[in-house]
Amino acid sequence: AQSVTQPDIHITVSEGASLELRCNYSYGATPYLFWYVQSPGQGLQLLLKYFSGDTLVQGIKGFEAEFKRSQSSFNLRKPSVHWSDAAEYFCAVGAMNRDDKIIFGKGTRLHILP
Amino acid sequence: DTAVSQTPKYLVTQMGNDKSIKCEQNLGHDTMYWYKQDSKKFLKIMFSYNNKELIINETVPNRFSPKSPDKAHLNLHINSLELGDSAVYFCASSPDRANVEAFFGQGTRLTVV
Repeated sequence: AQSVTQPDIHITVSEGASLELRCNYSYGATPYLFWYVQSPGQGLQLLLKYFSGDTLVQGIKGFEAEFKRSQSSFNLRKPSVHWSDAAEYFCAVGAMNRDDKIIFGKGTRLHILP
Repeated sequence: DTAVSQTPKYLVTQMGNDKSIKCEQNLGHDTMYWYKQDSKKFLKIMFSYNNKELIINETVPNRFSPKSPDKAHLNLHINSLELGDSAVYFCASSPDRANVEAFFGQGTRLTVV
């Protein structure tokens, strides 16, 4: 079965600084990988996804993520964060098996300093 | 024109009561889910339906019973509510059961007192 780990519970960066949120997954074959964002009191919104092909994927709101098979990682990056990026970020992994489920990491809370 | 809508958004109830949460999606998706998010923000899948058929049933108390009258609706009924049921419950849908991305509702914050 697949699993996903987000090592950082909290991350604090200054507005305008670059950001990298870590995600490691475990799955025996090529996974489907996702990053979601949850603003306070809101549902989850998909930022980007990787299924196959180019390992660097672009998402909404200026985010990107890179799939690195050798490191079993799918880290999320943004070159310059904005105060509105403060939220909870979830990495998720799915599988090509049609009856497997999408598993979410425990989330990373991003704090932005003015 | 909300894609995945849940009602109610907030639900406060006493222990022992029975309550339902409704979910509807207008995306034409085949698969719908219920997730539970605890106080530590951990998201865990509870159930998944594909075209009204139950395909994922995680280990949850049998006090929780999903019902899918058609593929656009997936309701969650909870009997004999307990304090530990307090959480945010999210409904989601995806085009099919092949693990493409899920579209989430806004959540229902359930508080059992």
